[in-house]
Amino acid sequence: DVKVTQSSRYLVKRTGEKVFLECVQDMDHENMFWYRQDPGLGLRLIYFSYDVKMKEKGDIPEGYSVSREKKERFSLILESASTNQTSMYLCASSLSWGSDGYTFGSGTRLTVV
Amino acid sequence: DQQVKQNSPSLSVQEGRISILNCDYTNSMFDYFLWYKKYPAEGPTFLISISSIKDKNEDGRFTVFLNKSAKHLSLHIVPSQPGDSAVYFCAAPGSGGSNYKLTFGKGTLLTVNP
Repeated sequence: DVKVTQSSRYLVKRTGEKVFLECVQDMDHENMFWYRQDPGLGLRLIYFSYDVKMKEKGDIPEGYSVSREKKERFSLILESASTNQTSMYLCASSLSWGSDGYTFGSGTRLTVV
Repeated sequence: DQQVKQNSPSLSVQEGRISILNCDYTNSMFDYFLWYKKYPAEGPTFLISISSIKDKNEDGRFTVFLNKSAKHLSLHIVPSQPGDSAVYFCAAPGSGGSNYKLTFGKGTLLTVNP
């Protein structure tokens, strides 16, 4: 089974800090994604990457950046954390263009105080 | 502009009865649809999918129905079990070159009461 691992389950950071969320997948998937989940808003796409060093903005990229230096690793960066970035962050990966869907990590619950 | 809509934020059913979760979409070019299930503090897990050329797909207790004329799909769970209590998301891929990018609905919280 594909495994997507997010480095932290829970994080508490201060306003203004630079925050790194790490995600690693072990099945050579081309595509990787970062979503955030908020009550009443569902899953919203922040950024995605379809190859090493390639990235594209999702629906809500403001305040975030990403890095994909290796195929298996996709990092989400909060340049200057703010309280409205308190959320559940979910990383996912997928192999192909078809209906295989995504495999998600367990999520990181980030609280910015 | 939300392309995939789940209009019911929550649903409560009795154990053993049928759960029906609904999803509407606006883009008739979607090639397939997927349902994901999410427990608190866990990532979503893939549940079942349906191709746009079919009108039904069944997997054990889970059946997804697709009504293309109405741009509507539904997930049926029969019989419902307390362990089915979770948030359910429907999702569809982008069209053309972005069909690897999924758009999710806002989710429906299903509670199955013992």
